[in-house]
Amino acid sequence: KQEVTQIPAALSVPEGENLVLNCSFTDSAIYNLQWFRQDPGKGLTSLLLIQSSQREQTSGRLNASLDKSSGRSTLYIAASQPGDSATYLCAVRPEGSSGSARQLTFGSGTQLTVLP
Amino acid sequence: EAGVTQFPSHSVIEKGQTVTLRCDPISGHDNLYWYRRVMGKEIKFLLHFVKESKQDESGMPNNRFLAERTGGTYSTLKVQPAELEDSGVYFCASSRWTGNTEAFFGQGTRLTVV
Repeated sequence: KQEVTQIPAALSVPEGENLVLNCSFTDSAIYNLQWFRQDPGKGLTSLLLIQSSQREQTSGRLNASLDKSSGRSTLYIAASQPGDSATYLCAVRPEGSSGSARQLTFGSGTQLTVLP
Repeated sequence: EAGVTQFPSHSVIEKGQTVTLRCDPISGHDNLYWYRRVMGKEIKFLLHFVKESKQDESGMPNNRFLAERTGGTYSTLKVQPAELEDSGVYFCASSRWTGNTEAFFGQGTRLTVV
């Protein structure tokens, strides 16, 4: 059974700092990994999708890396801003063609606060 | 392009009552998923539709939950009768192709059973 762990559970940093959020998963047989952002009371916003054959994806100040063999992904946020404050979730989709291969398994998230 | 839309955004019902949640996926997305997050837990998968067919309902907690997707467009998730432990946030997501594309999520329906 796939398990996804996100460390730390909460993180507080001053504005302008670069930071790294960590995600680890127990079963390396994944199809892809997706990073999401959730603002309080809001839905999930997709940030980056990394296919299993990729090593990283970049979008603006965000860079996500994937080391499938070791079961790890990181989300790097450069020059953090107060508007980056949110909960960041990673989720993995397993390999395979059966029905269970299409669902995402989520971590519990990292709650990020960027202080002005 | 409109995103995934869920109705209502909040619902407060009494134990034993029935509630129906609705999800409108992104137009053209064949895959529709329901997930939920109960207090203090991770977001968990409930079920997956491809068009109007249920592909995987392994995450449905019990037979008080019934999901439908008539005509392969919008989907409803009915809870009948609701129990206290059903409280949480119910998310709907859609994707165009199975497996290899991004899942786009709605804003969620916060269900409170009192």
